[in-house]
Amino acid sequence: DIQMTQSPSTLSASVGDRVTIACRASQTISNFLAWYQQRPGRVPKLLIYGTSNLETGVPSRFSGSASGTEFTLTISSLQPDDFATYYCQHYDDDLWTFGQGTKVEIK
Amino acid sequence: QVQLVESGGGVVQPGGSLRLSCVASGFSFTTNGMHWVRQVPGKGLEWVTAIWPSGLKKNWADSVKGRFTISKDNSKNTLYLQMSSLRVEDTAIYYCAKDGGRGVLDYWGQGTLVTVSS
Repeated sequence: DIQMTQSPSTLSASVGDRVTIACRASQTISNFLAWYQQRPGRVPKLLIYGTSNLETGVPSRFSGSASGTEFTLTISSLQPDDFATYYCQHYDDDLWTFGQGTKVEIK
Repeated sequence: QVQLVESGGGVVQPGGSLRLSCVASGFSFTTNGMHWVRQVPGKGLEWVTAIWPSGLKKNWADSVKGRFTISKDNSKNTLYLQMSSLRVEDTAIYYCAKDGGRGVLDYWGQGTLVTVSS
């Protein structure tokens, strides 16, 4: 089975910082890669699908990209609402796999 | 607007059974696939099982295969998760989620807590 490994597990940053979260696949995968945000006490929210497509209503400071087996979520200028845990998720062969999550904390 | 409301969680002994329900509204339940995803409080997300729109095709994570069964009643707009042979490690918040196509889960319920403990 494909494993998705996120890094870092925790990230400390300040409002206005540019933040990058990585998600590495254990083997070459399709671009069915999504990113979710989960604020404390809230349910996951879809941010990005298909590696780089922004879900309707998601601010443009969020972006996604890929290079080989490494997928990246970038927040161009961190806002107070962005302090949360972020998960990558891959779909292939009728299986859905989440990364272990990256918590973005206030520095 | 899309709404997903889970129910049926509670405390159950190891080896026991429990059935979760998720009532859906605000979209065509008949033409959409659905999922169950779980999360140990304070931990990460784990995809559990999915069912395709007709209800005839399903898939499961290895951790629950043979113990959990997903089903949907399109006449009642309701998704079910029948859990049996429950283990302590099945303790988690269980979310139902709508399949959004594109390999994603685009709407999530608020979750229902299942605690497996003696």
